[in-house]
Amino acid sequence: AQRVTQPEKLLSVFKGAPVELKCNYSYSGSPELFWYVQYSRQRLQLLLRHISRESIKGFTADLNKGETSFHLKKPFAQEEDSAMYYCALKGELGGTSYGKLTFGQGTILTVHP
Amino acid sequence: KAGVTQTPRYLIKTRGQQVTLSCSPISGHRSVSWYQQTPGQGLQFLFEYFSETQRNKGNFPGRFSGRQFSNSRSEMNVSTLELGDSALYLCASSLDGTAYNEQFFGPGTRLTVL
Repeated sequence: AQRVTQPEKLLSVFKGAPVELKCNYSYSGSPELFWYVQYSRQRLQLLLRHISRESIKGFTADLNKGETSFHLKKPFAQEEDSAMYYCALKGELGGTSYGKLTFGQGTILTVHP
Repeated sequence: KAGVTQTPRYLIKTRGQQVTLSCSPISGHRSVSWYQQTPGQGLQFLFEYFSETQRNKGNFPGRFSGRQFSNSRSEMNVSTLELGDSALYLCASSLDGTAYNEQFFGPGTRLTVL
């Protein structure tokens, strides 16, 4: 069974400090990993996905298959980064769980001025 | 273009009743997924539809069902409601449900079961 774990429910940092939101997963195969973000009073939206190897709003995430992790990082946090962040996993194409997106419990990030 | 819309936005029902929620995907999107969000369990996958066919299903009882129409609009039905079904139900659409195409979420329908 696929599982996503976000060990920190709450994370507080000061503006300008580096931030790392942890995500570990359990999946026997090659998963597709995502980070979603929900700002206050807004819809859940995609932040980034590992297949794109992109940097969005200064955030990056590297898939580490050895450690089964997909941590989200930003070198200098901004107040507008305050939001709920979800790590999510989708099974590989052709697998039985393809199309099923499994979310972690989420981490509330607060960036203080 | 217009985003994913869900109707109704809020719903109050009593135990034992049934409910139907509706989701209109972004124009051109053929994949629609449904999720249940609760404070205790977080976001849980219910099912995904693609071209009117259920392609994947989460671990929910048979009381939860869905369907997709030829215009890609989707409905979710919950029969014999229980108190524990109180949740925010989210719908998301994408072009084809693959990781290469972003999944866009709707605002959700807040269901309260009394």
